[in-house]
Amino acid sequence: LAKTTQPISMDSYEGQEVNITCSHNNIATNDYITWYQQFPSQGPRFIIQGYKTKVTNEVASLFIPADRKSSTLSLPRVSLSDTAVYYCLVPTDYKLSFGAGTTVTVRA
Amino acid sequence: DVKVTQSSRYLVKRTGEKVFLECVQDMDHENMFWYRQDPGLGLRLIYFSYDVKMKEKGDIPEGYSVSREKKERFSLILESASTNQTSMYLCASSLSGGALRYNEQFFGPGTRLTVL
Repeated sequence: LAKTTQPISMDSYEGQEVNITCSHNNIATNDYITWYQQFPSQGPRFIIQGYKTKVTNEVASLFIPADRKSSTLSLPRVSLSDTAVYYCLVPTDYKLSFGAGTTVTVRA
Repeated sequence: DVKVTQSSRYLVKRTGEKVFLECVQDMDHENMFWYRQDPGLGLRLIYFSYDVKMKEKGDIPEGYSVSREKKERFSLILESASTNQTSMYLCASSLSGGALRYNEQFFGPGTRLTVL
């Protein structure tokens, strides 16, 4: 499993854009980059996945440079309800390895 | 919507008791997983199963066992509960390879187990 490194915590205010960068230096050629979100007292949920360049969905955008050794999750115009832990993962087969994640706190 | 349910949200047990945590998924997923989550440590994989009656150890299997007699149900067993097994336990399921969203896991709400 590729090891990932991401910041422990980030603070933001409502309406701002939040960018979380994750490094995964030993990512393999076939690996995808996946992000999960976890609210308090709930299990994690999948939010976005990508292989290269940029992926966007209704929740977030994921930017992956050409060397794929890092990725950036972008949350546009956050609200208080975006306060959560965000996990960057590089799965191999069906196994996931969650680190401590990044705790994002959005303030009014 | 995929639904993963866990038998209890909160559970309190005594040291030495045998504890069963049940997980059921309704989407015919092949893979099922048990994690524990502790502050500062993230989620750690205890066991997973890729088919009925099949199981593989995760990163921290000591003190736990599992059972998968039916495709939709995956049980985590603490043979003799200890205080260091006090934790949040999360169950998840996923499709096998070839899923459109590669490796997406669907999680249950978790069971907070306290061992006294």
